[in-house]
Amino acid sequence: GNSVTQMEGPVTLSEEAFLTINCTYTATGYPSLFWYVQYPGEGLQLLLKATKADDKGSNKGFEATYRKETTSFHLEKGSVQVSDSAVYFCALSAGSSYKLIFGSGTRLLVRP
Amino acid sequence: DAGVTQSPTHLIKTRGQQVTLRCSPKSGHDTVSWYQQALGQGPQFIFQYYEEEERQRGNFPDRFSGHQFPNYSSELNVNALLLGDSALYLCASSLGGQGTETQYFGPGTRLLVL
Repeated sequence: GNSVTQMEGPVTLSEEAFLTINCTYTATGYPSLFWYVQYPGEGLQLLLKATKADDKGSNKGFEATYRKETTSFHLEKGSVQVSDSAVYFCALSAGSSYKLIFGSGTRLLVRP
Repeated sequence: DAGVTQSPTHLIKTRGQQVTLRCSPKSGHDTVSWYQQALGQGPQFIFQYYEEEERQRGNFPDRFSGHQFPNYSSELNVNALLLGDSALYLCASSLGGQGTETQYFGPGTRLLVL
């Protein structure tokens, strides 16, 4: 079945460091891929998405490229800020299914 | 432009009780999905409502039921509550027919079952 695997956290970085959070997926067909962010005590906010191979989603300095050959959608940011501290979820929706399938989340902690 | 709203924000119940959670979708959206997020986990799909019908259901028992109203708002009902039902319940709205449409989430209702 369809699934998403994320790197385990927590990921601890200093402010202005480079961020990579790995995400790989298993899916039939051509899924749409998403990154959501969850700040403490809040719901999920859509960060970026990509709907076909080689698409790059970007928002607020974050980027992720849909790589079908490696079934990956890694999240990157060139210079993190303390305010980026949150839990990041990779997700997919695929085929005729209407549901989002989420990874287990990666907690990011950015220290000043 | 109003986003997805949920009520209540927090709820405490005891085992065996019943609970109803409410969701209003983002303006212009006609589809509502419900997810359960246990502490430290990713959200798990409960079901989705479209045109007042349950369109798809996840791996949840029949104790979980829902409803969608003509104005597209939705309710999630959970009967015979168990301790394991303690979680953050998230509502997400989207537009229409395609499964790959972006889902926008509300802030959630945190349910504690004692």
